[in-house]
Amino acid sequence: AQKVTQAQTEISVVEKEDVTLDCVYETRDTTYYLFWYKQPPSGELVFLIRRNSFDEQNEISGRYSWNFQKSTSSFNFTITASQVVDSAVYFCALSEASQGNLIFGKGTKLSVKP
Amino acid sequence: GAVVSQHPSRVICKSGTSVKIECRSLDFQATTMFWYRQFPKKSLMLMATSNEGSKATYEQGVEKDKFLINHASLTLSTLTVTSAHPEDSSFYICSASAGQGGIEQYFGPGTRLTVT
Repeated sequence: AQKVTQAQTEISVVEKEDVTLDCVYETRDTTYYLFWYKQPPSGELVFLIRRNSFDEQNEISGRYSWNFQKSTSSFNFTITASQVVDSAVYFCALSEASQGNLIFGKGTKLSVKP
Repeated sequence: GAVVSQHPSRVICKSGTSVKIECRSLDFQATTMFWYRQFPKKSLMLMATSNEGSKATYEQGVEKDKFLINHASLTLSTLTVTSAHPEDSSFYICSASAGQGGIEQYFGPGTRLTVT
């Protein structure tokens, strides 16, 4: 069974704080893809990153970084020095190569206060 | 990058009427298109997957006669909500993929449907 769990429903931080959004996934496939999306209040989904199951290298993109740990089935997302514009709902998602469709977690609402 | 548009962005309709939502891939050919539904403060739930020229595959619990999906060309898919009721009010998001499956899915901006 495929499943994505984002245990943090809401997180509130003050600007410039670092924040980590957790994502734990379940899959039986050996080939799969993990994603993070940002959904600002306007509603459109903004693609942030895709990772395949064979690439466990951590990735950094500006203030964003991702930690992929197959041993714990986690794909956590860290925002360094958060800004008010980072306020949004963040979704982690999984796609199994055998299935093709995206399974989304329930999302984490991040509020960054000035 | 690949662009997907949705029209309309917002629609208000009366209970009992039908509403059509269009999803277009503007700069690539979409072999597969997906339709998602998102209730307020909830996650995206896949409704159906459609491949160009064939019938859509609906997820369990989604009424195919109520949510009609047509994927007649490689750049256009439509979702028609028939005999809409207030409980159909939701945010509908489409995505398009040039390949088979969800590896590269490009999302539209969404359509907010309100049924009065």
